[in-house]
Amino acid sequence: KAGVTQTPRYLIKTRGQQVTLSCSPISGHRSVSWYQQTPGQGLQFLFEYFSETQRNKGNFPGRFSGRQFSNSRSEMNVSTLELGDSALYLCASSLGQGKPYEQYFGPGTRLTVT
Amino acid sequence: QQQVKQSPQSLIVQKGGISIINCAYENTAFDYFPWYQQFPGKGPALLIAIRPDVSEKKEGRFTISFNKSAKQFSLHIMDSQPGDSATYFCAASIVGGLTFGKGTHLIIQP
Repeated sequence: KAGVTQTPRYLIKTRGQQVTLSCSPISGHRSVSWYQQTPGQGLQFLFEYFSETQRNKGNFPGRFSGRQFSNSRSEMNVSTLELGDSALYLCASSLGQGKPYEQYFGPGTRLTVT
Repeated sequence: QQQVKQSPQSLIVQKGGISIINCAYENTAFDYFPWYQQFPGKGPALLIAIRPDVSEKKEGRFTISFNKSAKQFSLHIMDSQPGDSATYFCAASIVGGLTFGKGTHLIIQP
């Protein structure tokens, strides 16, 4: 079974721009969660989508948004990029029901904001 | 407020030794405690997980010990091997998002 895939793997953007990251979950998984990983703050939860609805949300500003499509694929958008948004953005998928907590991570998208 | 505290930040263990990483949590509503292993350039990989109604879980060389009254849990890696050198994260969850510890950089010396 194929794992979680994320595109692109690397991205360089300029302050003020916006960016969209994509995540394809493991086949059969209906929940997708997004995390930000930085050396200073570690791994922080952004939000979770299940059946096209945001089910949980972390403590990030409204510049960070996401959505989920009917095939469970998810996108994350960051608007008005700031230097501090430079990070590894990780997507994790899970069944979403029954055993909702077993989350499997993708390789991440490395975003650099200049 | 850091809800999951992990120690040590870094750890050096000799090959064949036991690696021990500790975590403490604050929110008693957490009901799922996984450990993840991350290699450079890769996403975290689920290693082993436990629920609070169990005091210990073992999978191969990896064991989680859980102390509900102390709100602490730990990862033991038996017979540590150089291939175990990685960053390890503990985490806790209620529903949905995981709250992670800051990570432990483990080096196994041959």
